[in-house]
Amino acid sequence: EDQVTQSPEALRLQEGESSSLNCSYTVSGLRGLFWYRQDPGKGPEFLFTLYSAGEEKEKERLKATLTKKESFLHITAPKPEDSATYLCAVKWEGGSEKLVFGKGTKLTVNP
Amino acid sequence: GAGVSQTPSNKVTEKGKYVELRCDPISGHTALYWYRQSLGQGPEFLIYFQGTGAADDSGLPNDRFFAVRPEGSVSTLKIQRTERGDSAVYLCASSLTQARYNEQFFGPGTRLTVL
Repeated sequence: EDQVTQSPEALRLQEGESSSLNCSYTVSGLRGLFWYRQDPGKGPEFLFTLYSAGEEKEKERLKATLTKKESFLHITAPKPEDSATYLCAVKWEGGSEKLVFGKGTKLTVNP
Repeated sequence: GAGVSQTPSNKVTEKGKYVELRCDPISGHTALYWYRQSLGQGPEFLIYFQGTGAADDSGLPNDRFFAVRPEGSVSTLKIQRTERGDSAVYLCASSLTQARYNEQFFGPGTRLTVL
């Protein structure tokens, strides 16, 4: 069973069309949930860290939220430059400092 | 300030050869991580160092893989007797501390192709 599952695998939006990406996790004792953005041929770029249920973080058109079993990355009025793969990762009690990643959601925003 | 750097950016080798991949972390970061990413997948943990010592090497797939960080800064990932299945992007990340707020910052990766 995957510890981190992201959905959808791919998402196509028109510019300005808001939507949400989902990251669900099965680990216990969450020590952090991390969102990264990855452009083709590049390393993941850190976006947000969330630690406790109810927490929210915002950056430009992105807003990340966390519940006890999942996180959402809300994208408001996206632009073509928001096109990328968005990765979610978790760290948990007893899991050392390693991050366990989901497979990512590939977002394409058309002009 | 400089981010995490990795060299080479691309490495093509033949099956059975030995390769070394280098990672230079953000200055002052005490923790360093290696991940491997295959096409269409998220990064997969290999090993992490706190200072000079490997604190968790549970992700290394077999004994052909080895990593060192002799002075607590630069790290080298070493792969012996490479196989075609080793082809992937190898990512390095570093973080400031083991404390709660220790986000990992990634380098651009080394794309390894084993022919």
